[in-house]
Amino acid sequence: AQSVTQLGSHVSVSEGALVLLRCNYSSSVPPYLFWYVQYPNQGLQLLLKYTTGATLVKGINGFEAEFKKSETSFHLTKPSAHMSDAAEYFCAVSDTGNQFYFGTGTSLTVIP
Amino acid sequence: DTGVSQNPRHKITKRGQNVTFRCDPISEHNRLYWYRQTLGQGPEFLTYFQNEAQLEKSRLLSDRFSAERPKGSFSTLEIQRTEQGDSAMYLCASSQSGQGIDGNTIYFGEGSWLTVV
Repeated sequence: AQSVTQLGSHVSVSEGALVLLRCNYSSSVPPYLFWYVQYPNQGLQLLLKYTTGATLVKGINGFEAEFKKSETSFHLTKPSAHMSDAAEYFCAVSDTGNQFYFGTGTSLTVIP
Repeated sequence: DTGVSQNPRHKITKRGQNVTFRCDPISEHNRLYWYRQTLGQGPEFLTYFQNEAQLEKSRLLSDRFSAERPKGSFSTLEIQRTEQGDSAMYLCASSQSGQGIDGNTIYFGEGSWLTVV
């Protein structure tokens, strides 16, 4: 079975500071891993994904994430936070692409 | 293609009434998913289709919930005899199964908000 744990339901950073959002997963098979962003009253937008190959993946808006199998982690980072990054972020795991399981989300606040 | 489309975006209904939401997936996608999201939570999987076949429906919340995808294109999610606890955002997503750069990645619509009063 697959599951996702997002550590920290709320993260606050200053504008220009490093963003680090944590995600740990559980999967009985090699996972597909995803990060999505959700702005208020909107659906989820794909930020980036890992399926196979390079373990460091780059996404939109300057975000990237690294798949670490030994740590069962897929943390999301961005070197310099922007005010427009304030949103809810969800990590998700899938087995063969049949079903997708989401974490409970991390709300990112960017302080000017 | 404009992406996954859902309507209505907002629905307010009285307790006990039936409601139906429609989802139009990305045109070349053969899989379609329904999720429910409540405040402060991540999307909760309800059901999914591959073409017209409903491959998983055990996560539907009760027998008041049903979904169809009759021709393998658009889908409807119906909630009968609504209860206040059904108030949530209902998200539709679609994907194309198989390999390829875009395979096995789900893309979401904007969601349909349901308020039961």
